[in-house]
Amino acid sequence: QVTLRESGPALVKPTQTLTLTCTFSGFSLTTGGMSVSWIRQPPGKALEWLALIDWNDDKHYITSLKTRLTISKDTSKNQVVLTMTNMDPVDTATYYCARTYYWNDDYWGQGILVTVSS
Amino acid sequence: EIVLTQSPATLSLSPGERATLSCRASQSINNFLAWFQQKPGQAPRLLIYDTSSRATGIPARFSGSGSGTDFTLTISSLEPEDFALYYCQQRSNWPRTFGQGTKVEIK
Repeated sequence: QVTLRESGPALVKPTQTLTLTCTFSGFSLTTGGMSVSWIRQPPGKALEWLALIDWNDDKHYITSLKTRLTISKDTSKNQVVLTMTNMDPVDTATYYCARTYYWNDDYWGQGILVTVSS
Repeated sequence: EIVLTQSPATLSLSPGERATLSCRASQSINNFLAWFQQKPGQAPRLLIYDTSSRATGIPARFSGSGSGTDFTLTISSLEPEDFALYYCQQRSNWPRTFGQGTKVEIK
């Protein structure tokens, strides 16, 4: 059974760095074709793809946020971490992690709402 | 970056009717298009991948078609649980992108 769960702070202040952890089970990031993605959704708005890390440790980022994002993995802990620097109120959103198997986001976590406010 | 444009923004239909949702890409994405369904307060669910392949457990009333830049999600006969938001996503180029969504609402 594949599960993913996002964890991290619910509230961050402007200019702070956000660190989100995706803890997963039911698959391994050492398996060929396996990746984990991060996607976010501001309240009432559309989904926005952020980043992906694959089994080869290749990483891809959304162009507009590339300088602020870092994705990494710890295969021994079955975790993927996303950091976003210099947070702003416009970054308020629900952040999802998803299993990406052969490039399809087939299982998603429940999401975590992150509010950026002073 | 590939831009996906979904239409219409809102589709008002009755249960039992056929729903046709459109997704147009700013350049050819071959068949690398997926569709997701999202209900309020829930994470998105993968419905269709690679234009026309149904994900595990997705009912046959959901079908996808298209090629190049124009794609369609069809729900053959709307069930009450199908009234939701639908997003398309391309995986042809980095970065991945989503459309802005189509809301299927009860008429």
